[in-house]
Amino acid sequence: AIQMTQSPSSLSASVGDRVTITCRASQGIRNDLGWYQQKPGKAPKLLIYAASSLQSGVPSRFSGSGSGTDFTLTISSLQPEDFATYYCLQDYNYLGTFGQGTKVEIK
Amino acid sequence: EVQLVQSGAEVKKPGESLKISCKGSGYSFTSYWIGWVRQMPGKGLEWMGIIYPGDSDTRYSPSFQGQVTISADKSISTAYLQWSSLKASDTAMYYCARRQYSSGLGRSYYFDYWGQGTLVTVSS
Repeated sequence: AIQMTQSPSSLSASVGDRVTITCRASQGIRNDLGWYQQKPGKAPKLLIYAASSLQSGVPSRFSGSGSGTDFTLTISSLQPEDFATYYCLQDYNYLGTFGQGTKVEIK
Repeated sequence: EVQLVQSGAEVKKPGESLKISCKGSGYSFTSYWIGWVRQMPGKGLEWMGIIYPGDSDTRYSPSFQGQVTISADKSISTAYLQWSSLKASDTAMYYCARRQYSSGLGRSYYFDYWGQGTLVTVSS
């Protein structure tokens, strides 16, 4: 099974900061990667699909990049409502794997 | 409006069986895979498996193969996750989600709509 290594596991940042989260796949997955945001007690929410496509309704400060094995989620200017846990998910060949998650906390 | 509505919280004893549900509405239920995701208390998300209600094609993560059964009844637009003998370690929140397909710049699958989650507690 494909392993996803997500980093960092947590970070502290201030409102207005640029934040970058990365996921590395153990083998190439083309661009079959999504990014999700989860707030406490809530279901995950899709932010980015196909590595770089912004889901409808998601603010443009969120962006994704990468292909193959290395992927990045960037929040260009962190807002108060962005403090949450973020996960990558690869779904290549009908067998998905989540990254371990990145908790974004207030500095 | 696409909706996935899951059954309510369950409290069970070890060894008991359980079947939880996920009812889809607002779209063609038989045309999209449905996935199940586990989240143990204070932990991350785990991909359990998926089912295509149109023909009941089912795929499991190796970690969950043999531990749970995923099924669907397309006549009532409902997917299920079931256990034959629960363990304390099955205590978790379980989410269902619709698996969407994008054929744009590069083909990609992703979960676009999620259920509200079903909390399963297994305790003696």
